[in-house]
Amino acid sequence: EIVLTQSPGTLSLSPGERATLSCRASQSVGNSLAWYQQQPGQAPRLLIYGASGRATGIPDRFSGSGSGTDFTLTISRLQPEDFAVYYCQHYGSSPPTISCTFGQGTKLEI
Amino acid sequence: QVQLVQSGAEVKKPGASVKVSCKASGYTFTSYYMHWVRQAPGQGLEWMGTINPSGGITIYAQKFQGRVTMTRDTSTSTVYMELSSLRSEDTAVYYCARRNYGGNLPLLDYWGQGTLVTVSS
Repeated sequence: EIVLTQSPGTLSLSPGERATLSCRASQSVGNSLAWYQQQPGQAPRLLIYGASGRATGIPDRFSGSGSGTDFTLTISRLQPEDFAVYYCQHYGSSPPTISCTFGQGTKLEI
Repeated sequence: QVQLVQSGAEVKKPGASVKVSCKASGYTFTSYYMHWVRQAPGQGLEWMGTINPSGGITIYAQKFQGRVTMTRDTSTSTVYMELSSLRSEDTAVYYCARRNYGGNLPLLDYWGQGTLVTVSS
């Protein structure tokens, strides 16, 4: 099973600053890597898929990069609503199975 | 608009089973796989499996094989997730979710509101 390790565990920044979140895979996942945002008490929200593609309706201050084992989510100018927990996810399909694992999360706090 | 509405919170004793429902609306029910993801209190996300509502074919995460059953009712556009032999570690919020596009990849654009299942003696 592919293990995803996110760093840092907690990131403390201020509105207007730039946030850089990391996700490292235990083996290459190509570009099959997504990022989700989760606000307290809410379901996760898909931000990025295919390592760098923005999901529908996601502002362009969110960007993803990387391939293989090292990935980054960047939020260029933090807005108050961006403070949340972020998860990376590996996904894959090798019929008849599906692989899907999540990182442990990075908490972005003010 | 796409809506996934889940059943309400449950409290179960260890060893019992729980069945959570997820009623879909706003799209063609049989055209999109439905996935189940759970989240223990204060913990991360864990993918449990998926069901193709068209034919009922399921794919489960290895961890849950033998304990989870996903079914669907096309007449009511509802999918179900049943987890048996419950233990305290199964206490979690259970989500149904689907992708914006076809296929079985767990890229999850739409989510239900979550169902809290508490396992306690």
